[in-house]
Amino acid sequence: DSGVTQTPKHLITATGQRVTLRCSPRSGDLSVYWYQQSLDQGLQFLIQYYNGEERAKGNILERFSAQQFPDLHSELNLSSLELGDSALYFCASSVEGQGNTEAFFGQGTRLTVV
Amino acid sequence: AQRVTQPEKLLSVFKGAPVELKCNYSYSGSPELFWYVQYSRQRLQLLLRHISRESIKGFTADLNKGETSFHLKKPFAQEEDSAMYYCALSDGNKLVFGAGTILRVKS
Repeated sequence: DSGVTQTPKHLITATGQRVTLRCSPRSGDLSVYWYQQSLDQGLQFLIQYYNGEERAKGNILERFSAQQFPDLHSELNLSSLELGDSALYFCASSVEGQGNTEAFFGQGTRLTVV
Repeated sequence: AQRVTQPEKLLSVFKGAPVELKCNYSYSGSPELFWYVQYSRQRLQLLLRHISRESIKGFTADLNKGETSFHLKKPFAQEEDSAMYYCALSDGNKLVFGAGTILRVKS
């Protein structure tokens, strides 16, 4: 167990809908990263937060947004969902926000858009 | 821009054979490189990082700045090594991952 918790584990929803994925980092970790893993794209970096502030942004669509709350948990909001958004969404956390410390991953949320 | 390339989607070897998972990177600064592993139905976990120069589960990886490579090697593959392996590079903020290589060790 890495200590990173993601909920829900599975989510099935229809196109056009909006969902929220939740991540609780390891105790003491200030940085949270979100990744999307799809069959044809591998692990794509979406966004990073450090101590409540956005630190880095990757290939995140405008339909997607995220935030990190004062208790350091993070949420990834996906709206106007399309079939192509079906993927495994991973959250990772690390002590620092510099990317050179070990990142601990959650089990992921499998999103299926039908 | 930083990029990590893992040219092989799948590598299949027999038990006891040597393994080399290839990783090449593109980065203008001084890279920090990692290998992560994902066993079936489990989360990604760190296997090793180049700065620690350690050997984990018999795997080693050497950073070759001239060839911009960080290949993962093991002299004798075991069945329990079957997994997805990701090479990753830190750009100072985040980890950038390669597409991953599935290693299949056959008995």
